[in-house]
Order: sequence, then C-alpha cells, then structure tokens
Amino acid sequence: QSVLAQPPSVSAAPGQKVIISCSGSSSNVEKNFVSWYQQLPGSAPKLLIYDNDKRPSGIPDRFSGSKSGTSATLAITGLQTGDEADYYCGTWDRSLTAGVFGGGTKLTVL
Amino acid sequence: EVQLVESGGGLVKPGGSLTISCTASGFTFINAWMSWVRQAPGKGLEWVGRIKSKADGGTAGYAAAVNGRFTMSRDDSKNTVYLQLNGLETDDTAVYYCATRATRVGGGFDYWGQGTLVTVSS
Repeated sequence: QSVLAQPPSVSAAPGQKVIISCSGSSSNVEKNFVSWYQQLPGSAPKLLIYDNDKRPSGIPDRFSGSKSGTSATLAITGLQTGDEADYYCGTWDRSLTAGVFGGGTKLTVL
Repeated sequence: EVQLVESGGGLVKPGGSLTISCTASGFTFINAWMSWVRQAPGKGLEWVGRIKSKADGGTAGYAAAVNGRFTMSRDDSKNTVYLQLNGLETDDTAVYYCATRATRVGGGFDYWGQGTLVTVSS
C-alpha cells in the first residue's frame, strides 16, 4: 500500500491527452515539492517534472505538472507510442521523515 | 556529463550481508545529498534512504522497512556512497538505484544510476 495513490493504469489514443493523478495528504503532497518520473521497460526512472511544475532541460513541454492541496497531476498531451511507460510521483513525507512514491501508473497508448 | 554507477549487487542468503556502492562523476559530489531507491521485481519504486552532504551534517535517514538493518555512508574523496545491507530478507530482493539531484535546490532526483540487483534467496 503506497503512501501516495495513483491509478494503476490509464490509456488514450495517439495525439490525445492523458492526466495521471497523485493523491497524498497534508504531511506529504500538500507541504512538499512533488516530482514525476517516467520509467520505460528495463530502464532506470527518468525525471519529468520537479518542484511540482518545472521541467528539466530536454523534457518536452508536452509534459506538465501541477499541484493543488493534497493532490498533484501529470498531464501528457500529444501522446506518442513512445510515451508508453510506467509513471511515478514522489515527494517527502514530514510525518514519516522519509521519501515516498506513488504505486505507479502504467500508460498505454492505444 | 553526470554519471552514477552502482556496483556490488549479487546473490546472498537470508540473514546475510552485502555492501553496494555508487560512484558519481560530473558534479560536485561533496555538496550533494545522495539517495537509494529500490524496485522489487515487477513492483514500484521504494525510497530506501538518503545521506546529506557533510556541510549539511552528513546524517543519514532511512525508510522504516530498512531502518536498523541498512546503513549509508559516503567517501567524498572517492565520490562514492555506500549502502551496507545487513539482516537481509527475501523482501529486500530488488534493483537498487542510486539517485541524486546533485547540487540543485529543491526536490526530485535528476540523475539515476543503472541499478544493481540484490537477490536474497536460500
């Protein structure tokens, strides 16, 4: 049972938009920066979004992040087959004094 | 170019010990907080622990699941962080990733190693 709740899977057609949610609490998402990662099969995770809504250099603006209260979202527009991957949100939990991740969301581009 | 290279994984029996390493390059290691994240086969990411830079106290913090069994340390002269795994259990079987945001302020892990597999089995 992950501290941060994500839907196990989402799907959409190429070119469409998908939103992945990350639900937490006042001890984690609400008070700390949220980051998002993409993990392709057999690869290490890759940072997509940090500090709630910032993109590292090289990440296309098709990927965007936002946060409101105890929830955060990752939006991906103009879906491509290469976007098929597992996506994870992560943050710090002040009560646990530990890093926490969501359980991951598998994106299928139909 | 930032690189993180883990090593030292392998097969160990339940109750056994192992030390894995992560050697970094391409950034000012002495100023960076370093973390370990693991991923059991077919499962999600799990934060294991992190060690602060010496300038920030050099202390380590751990997830509850490993606290008291795992110990992180760092050797800034070798740009290397270590994770000593003691009292290993079958549930500790995972790929262990080293991760850091280097010297950027804020949250998240910009850089990840390729991972090293630790298998705990009799």
